[in-house]
Amino acid sequence: SQQGEEDPQALSIQEGENATMNCSYKTSINNLQWYRQNSGRGLVHLILIRSNEREKHSGRLRVTLDTSKKSSSLLITASRAADTASYFCATDRSSNTGKLIFGQGTTLQVKP
Amino acid sequence: KAGVTQTPRYLIKTRGQQVTLSCSPISGHRSVSWYQQTPGQGLQFLFEYFSETQRNKGNFPGRFSGRQFSNSRSEMNVSTLELGDSALYLCASSGAGVTYNEQFFGPGTRLTVL
Repeated sequence: SQQGEEDPQALSIQEGENATMNCSYKTSINNLQWYRQNSGRGLVHLILIRSNEREKHSGRLRVTLDTSKKSSSLLITASRAADTASYFCATDRSSNTGKLIFGQGTTLQVKP
Repeated sequence: KAGVTQTPRYLIKTRGQQVTLSCSPISGHRSVSWYQQTPGQGLQFLFEYFSETQRNKGNFPGRFSGRQFSNSRSEMNVSTLELGDSALYLCASSGAGVTYNEQFFGPGTRLTVL
């Protein structure tokens, strides 16, 4: 079963705009990660945020985590056409497991 | 370092056949996880192997099995294929240390069952 739900399911923006995607999960977590997937290919790891962290940055990406609300958000600033992809959040409940539970994903389209 | 590799990339089988997929993790990574991705169910965890032992298993029937070799390469096998097994099968590897659970995915094997 899916751990998380992502919102929105689809997002269409113009190049240069910011894109915000949200993820909610159901149980306590150890880490939360965001991945990108281009057109049915493998997943690319974007960023990992630990349960004791509240915000993390990586380039144009900003991730927040609110464990009290069991939610996370991914912000992509100054989006580019190359950011067009599906974005997934994934959680794990323990550091001693290779099991990730994925959300359903947000499909982002960035129009040039 | 070379990334995670999966072979074959594409596979077409018929119902009732069996299939074996292969995954080579990043050098030094000892954990290999397998996932199934379908439009209806999304990404679902199949199983994880660590040091040749299955450490975690998802909610899939016994037709799905796997193994890991001493060099950390892993295979998964699906027997008696069903139409619903058509999916993208992804493997991911991770290593020990601070970013233990940061998983690196291969390009996937696209399995079509006719």
